[in-house]
Amino acid sequence: DSGVTQTPKHLITATGQRVTLRCSPRSGDLSVYWYQQSLDQGLQFLIQYYNGEERAKGNILERFSAQQFPDLHSELNLSSLELGDSALYFCASSVEGLPDTGELFFGEGSRLTVL
Amino acid sequence: AQKITQTQPGMFVQEKEAVTLDCTYDTSDQSYGLFWYKQPSSGEMIFLIYQGSYDEQNATEGRYSLNFQKARKSANLVISASQLGDSAMYFCAMRSPYSGAGSYQLTFGKGTKLSVIP
Repeated sequence: DSGVTQTPKHLITATGQRVTLRCSPRSGDLSVYWYQQSLDQGLQFLIQYYNGEERAKGNILERFSAQQFPDLHSELNLSSLELGDSALYFCASSVEGLPDTGELFFGEGSRLTVL
Repeated sequence: AQKITQTQPGMFVQEKEAVTLDCTYDTSDQSYGLFWYKQPSSGEMIFLIYQGSYDEQNATEGRYSLNFQKARKSANLVISASQLGDSAMYFCAMRSPYSGAGSYQLTFGKGTKLSVIP
C-alpha cells in the first residue's frame, strides 16, 4: 500500500460526459502528479501541483483540468469525453526537498472507459 | 529536455535465469535520478530501485540491480534468478534536478514487457 488513494477505481461513462477523478496523497506529501496510461502506452505526464499551486504541465488536453485543494487532495476533471480518453489515470505523490530521491508513490489508478 | 528510451518492447526469460532490461537516457543536467518501476497486470506501479547520478556504486535491491554507465547514459535493470511473479511491464524513469520545492518531475520510458517462462 503506497498510501496514495484514488477514487473511483473503475468508471464507465459515455462520450460527451464529464467525470471527476479524486486523489488523496500520502500524509505529508505536498506534490501531486497526474499521469495517463492508454492501452499499450507508457505513462504520459499530465500535470503537477505543489502545495495547491500548479507547478508543471505536460500533455494535458484543454478539456482536462485539475486542482489541488488546501487539504492537499487533488481532483482531475475530464470533460467532453471521447473514446480516446479511455485510459488508466494515475495519481502520484512525493516528498519534496533534499535529500529525498524524488521517488513517486503511485495510487492504484482510476480506469476510465468511455463508450 | 529529458528523454528516456527503452528499446525492448518485449522480453522473454526462463525461470531462474537472469535478465537485463535496457534503458538509455538523454539529459544535459549534471544532477538527476534514475528509477525503475514494475507494473504487474493488476495495474499498480511498484517502485523497484533508484540510482542517483552522483552515486559511485551501482544500486542493488534484493534481486534487482541497476547497471549504471554514466558515460554511455545507460541505466539497465538486471533481475537475477527470475521468478514467474516477475512477469510484468517495467518502466525506466528519470528525475529532473532539484531546483526548489516542488521542482521534481519524472519522465518515463515506454516500458518493456517481461514474460518469465516456466
